[in-house]
Parts: sequence; C-alpha cells; structure tokens
Amino acid sequence: DIQMTQSPSSLPASLGDRVTITCRASQDIGNYLRWFQQKPGKSPRLMIYGATNLAAGVPSRFSGSRSGSDYSLTINSLESEDMAIYYCLQHNEYPLTFGSGTKLEIK
Amino acid sequence: QVKLLQSGAALVKPGDSVKMSCKASGYTFTDYIIHWVKQSHGKSLEWIGYINPYSGGTNYNEKFKSKATLTVDKSSSTAYMEFSRLTSEDSAIYYCASEGYTYWGQGVMVTVSS
Repeated sequence: DIQMTQSPSSLPASLGDRVTITCRASQDIGNYLRWFQQKPGKSPRLMIYGATNLAAGVPSRFSGSRSGSDYSLTINSLESEDMAIYYCLQHNEYPLTFGSGTKLEIK
Repeated sequence: QVKLLQSGAALVKPGDSVKMSCKASGYTFTDYIIHWVKQSHGKSLEWIGYINPYSGGTNYNEKFKSKATLTVDKSSSTAYMEFSRLTSEDSAIYYCASEGYTYWGQGVMVTVSS
C-alpha cells in the first residue's frame, strides 16, 4: 500500500499567517492527490484535486503544489474559518490511502 | 443540487451486522462510482471500497474485504454497505462519497456495544 506521510500533525497559527501542510508519498502517485478540509462534526470537503487544482467554490487563498514526491497545501492569509483538520488522499493506486491529518488551530 | 443522504445512527451488539444506506439525488446515479470511507473517533480516514452503480462492480480494501459488502439499488438511486461480525473496532463514522470525492454524505455513526 502507498503510505502518505503528512506533516505536521498540529499547526498553531495566527490569523493572517501563511501556512503550509505537506504529504509525502512512499511511491510515485503522479498528480493523483487530493486535499480535504474537515470541520468538527462535518463531512470532509474537497479543496484541491490533481495536486494543484482548486475545487469549485474554494477561496483563492488556498493552493496546492508538488515537488517530487512531496505535495503541499498552502493557505495564504489565514482566516478563522480555515481552522479545521486537513487530509491528503492519493488515488493513483488501490487501496486509496489518506494522510494522518493536520489540525490547524489558532495560536 | 447533488445530495448524498445517509441513513441514521446505529447502535448494534458485538457479532451483529449493520446495513447502512446512501441515497443519491441531483445527478444520474449510474454516472459516478460511490466510495465508502471509515473514520474512527478522532482518527484519520480509511478507504473501505467502491461500487460502480452502473455495472455493480466493486473494489475493496483488503483490510475490509471480509467485513464489508457493497451493493446498489438503481431503481432508488441508493447505495448500501453492510458491515458484518461487528466488534468495538468497527465503532466509527462511515461516509459515502461520489464524483471523485466532490460530494459526501453526512456520515453514519455506528456504535458497537453490548
């Protein structure tokens, strides 16, 4: 199975900050990488698909990038509504595998 | 608009089975495969498997192959997942998701307790 190593597990940040979350894939997954946001008591929400493409309705302060086997989600100018847990998902190969999650919280 | 409406929470005894539903609306049910995902309390997400509503074809995570059975009823645009021989490890929230994880159900909380 492909392992998705996500870091950090917790990220204290201030409003207005620029933050980056990273997932490293244990094997090549191309650009078959998605990012999700999950708020307490809610279902995950698709934020980024194809590693770099913004999903419909997602604010432009969110962006995705790739460097080799490292995939990053960056949020520019953090807002209070961005506080949530973020997960990556590789869908290049079955079984699909998620990262362990990053909890973004107010410092 | 697209909606995936899942069945209500379930409290079941160890060793029992539970069958949950995911009713799709707002799109052609047979156009997109439906994935099922497990989220244990306070933990990450695990992919259980998917079903193709058009063909009925399935693909399971090996970890859940003897545990989960995925089916669909095209006439009612509903996908089902049955989980069998339940243990406390199966207590979790179970989600269905469609169209490449763009749309998610609200989740079903399953509690396994005697």
